[in-house]
Amino acid sequence: AQSVTQPDIHITVSEGASLELRCNYSYGATPYLFWYVQSPGQGLQLLLKYFSGDTLVQGIKGFEAEFKRSQSSFNLRKPSVHWSDAAEYFCAVGPQGGSEKLVFGKGTKLTVNP
Amino acid sequence: DGGITQSPKYLFRKEGQNVTLSCEQNLNHDAMYWYRQDPGQGLRLIYYSQIVNDFQKGDIAEGYSVSREKKESFPLTVTSAQKNPTAFYLCASSPSGPHLNEQYFGPGTRLTVT
Repeated sequence: AQSVTQPDIHITVSEGASLELRCNYSYGATPYLFWYVQSPGQGLQLLLKYFSGDTLVQGIKGFEAEFKRSQSSFNLRKPSVHWSDAAEYFCAVGPQGGSEKLVFGKGTKLTVNP
Repeated sequence: DGGITQSPKYLFRKEGQNVTLSCEQNLNHDAMYWYRQDPGQGLRLIYYSQIVNDFQKGDIAEGYSVSREKKESFPLTVTSAQKNPTAFYLCASSPSGPHLNEQYFGPGTRLTVT
């Protein structure tokens, strides 16, 4: 069965510092991978996605993520965090080939200190 | 602008009453989904539909019902049989084909049952 683990429930960084949010997945083949962001009381917004090809993918708001097959990881990074990046971040995995079900991690809450 | 609308944003009901949450999309997506979100639990799939007049149970369908009479609409009814209905409910949609699991989310409805 597919599963997604986000090991960090809560991360605090200072504004301007770099950020890395971890995501590990369990799946038998190469999956589709996603990162979503959720501001308090809002829906989820798609940050970026990996389907195939280049393992370093760029997303919106200056975020990027790297797919590492050998480590079953898809970590999210940003070189310099802004106060507006404070939110909850969800990693999700879905099987290639168009299956409808995504499996979500439990999320990592990001706090940004001024 | 294309998107997903959910109404209302906040909903209050007395215990024992059924309540219907609205979800409409104008993205021309074939598939639609309902998730429930509780603090620290991530997203859990309630029901999903890949095509009009057809839907499948997700992981936590008990106490919920849906209909899909139109491509644009996928209302969710929370019945009195749902033991703990207070939660944040998210609707999503995705296109058909190989990107079927690239989901886009609405703003959510927070349901409080007392």
